[in-house]
Amino acid sequence: EPEVTQTPSHQVTQMGQEVILRCVPISNHLYFYWYRQILGQKVEFLVSFYNNEISEKSEIFDDQFSVERPDGSNFTLKIRSTKLEDSAMYFCASSDTGWNQPQHFGDGTRLSIL
Amino acid sequence: DQQVKQNSPSLSVQEGRISILNCDYTNSMFDYFLWYKKYPAEGPTFLISISSIKDKNEDGRFTVFLNKSAKHLSLHIVPSQPGDSAVYFCAANTNSGYALNFGKGTSLLVTP
Repeated sequence: EPEVTQTPSHQVTQMGQEVILRCVPISNHLYFYWYRQILGQKVEFLVSFYNNEISEKSEIFDDQFSVERPDGSNFTLKIRSTKLEDSAMYFCASSDTGWNQPQHFGDGTRLSIL
Repeated sequence: DQQVKQNSPSLSVQEGRISILNCDYTNSMFDYFLWYKKYPAEGPTFLISISSIKDKNEDGRFTVFLNKSAKHLSLHIVPSQPGDSAVYFCAANTNSGYALNFGKGTSLLVTP
């Protein structure tokens, strides 16, 4: 069964450094998403991406964050200058249409900021 | 802001019995609802969904019920199996947005 893959599974970074989290969405899907889950809290929406542009973003997704689809298969989340509070599980998801269709999630990248 | 609430953090059920997981929501604009299952160290796995035009959707052992007037949905698992032990998340979105709003999850333990 097709799946969303994320790399790396765990990323440790010094505060203030840039980090790029990578995702390969399901191949025929057109909508891509990033979510995060801080330890002990609920899964929170960050951003959705369609047709090479951001279609929706949350308040969390400030100027420190950016997303990109650099080629036909990868979808990346960049955090420019990491803070301690960016430590979380980051999940990538994809769906074939934007509405009334399930989003399929990867296994996540655990980001630890030191 | 908790638009989707799962008020039971945990539930324990015997194998073979019914598991009922509950979810309440506050946003009347939500019109699509989903249940996800999550094992440790894995991402949420889609289980079943329901559109607001329906009040029930069934897929094998899993049935989701939606009560729009009460802003409540539930997931029934019959019969429960030990492999069903996981955290279950309720999620919802509106037809004007892409973001899924998640509940905090209910940890289900199915004992032999």
